[in-house]
Amino acid sequence: AQSVTQPDIHITVSEGASLELRCNYSYGATPYLFWYVQSPGQGLQLLLKYFSGDTLVQGIKGFEAEFKRSQSSFNLRKPSVHWSDAAEYFCAVGAGGRRALTFGSGTRLQVQP
Amino acid sequence: GAGVSQSPSNKVTEKGKDVELRCDPISGHTALYWYRQSLGQGLEFLIYFQGNSAPDKSGLPSDRFSAERTGGSVSTLTIQRTQQEDSAVYLCASSLLSGGLTDTQYFGPGTRLTVL
Repeated sequence: AQSVTQPDIHITVSEGASLELRCNYSYGATPYLFWYVQSPGQGLQLLLKYFSGDTLVQGIKGFEAEFKRSQSSFNLRKPSVHWSDAAEYFCAVGAGGRRALTFGSGTRLQVQP
Repeated sequence: GAGVSQSPSNKVTEKGKDVELRCDPISGHTALYWYRQSLGQGLEFLIYFQGNSAPDKSGLPSDRFSAERTGGSVSTLTIQRTQQEDSAVYLCASSLLSGGLTDTQYFGPGTRLTVL
């Protein structure tokens, strides 16, 4: 069965600084990979997804992620963080013919002024 | 509406009572999912509907949990004889087509269930 690990429970960055959120997955074949963001009181919003092809994926709100098969990672990056990016971020994997996604436990991002 | 809606937004109940949670998917979406988000945890899959049938209900934690979908639209998640460990945010998502992984799952705002 597939699994997802987000090693960082909580990250604080200064506004304007760069950001990288880590995600590691476990699955034997090429998985489908997703990053979602959850703002307080809001539902989850898809930031980006990777299925195949170019390993660097661009998403909404200036986010990007890179699939690295050798490291089983799909880290999320943003060059310059805005205060509105403060939220919880979830990495998810879909694989094995199942329709359901397997989510990591999330990383809470705080942005300091 | 434009997005997935869920009701109620908050539900407080006493241990042992039954509760029903409702999900209205995006119009025209054929696939519907229920997930549970417990405090400090990621999202845990509960059940998936394609139309009115549930080909994958492997995530339902016990026989106290059941779900149905009628008319290929609204879904209800029922928890019988609620326990304190059922306290969580229950999220519903829908996707447009066959529910394949290439379809984006759009999530509702969730129902926060508190069992006293």
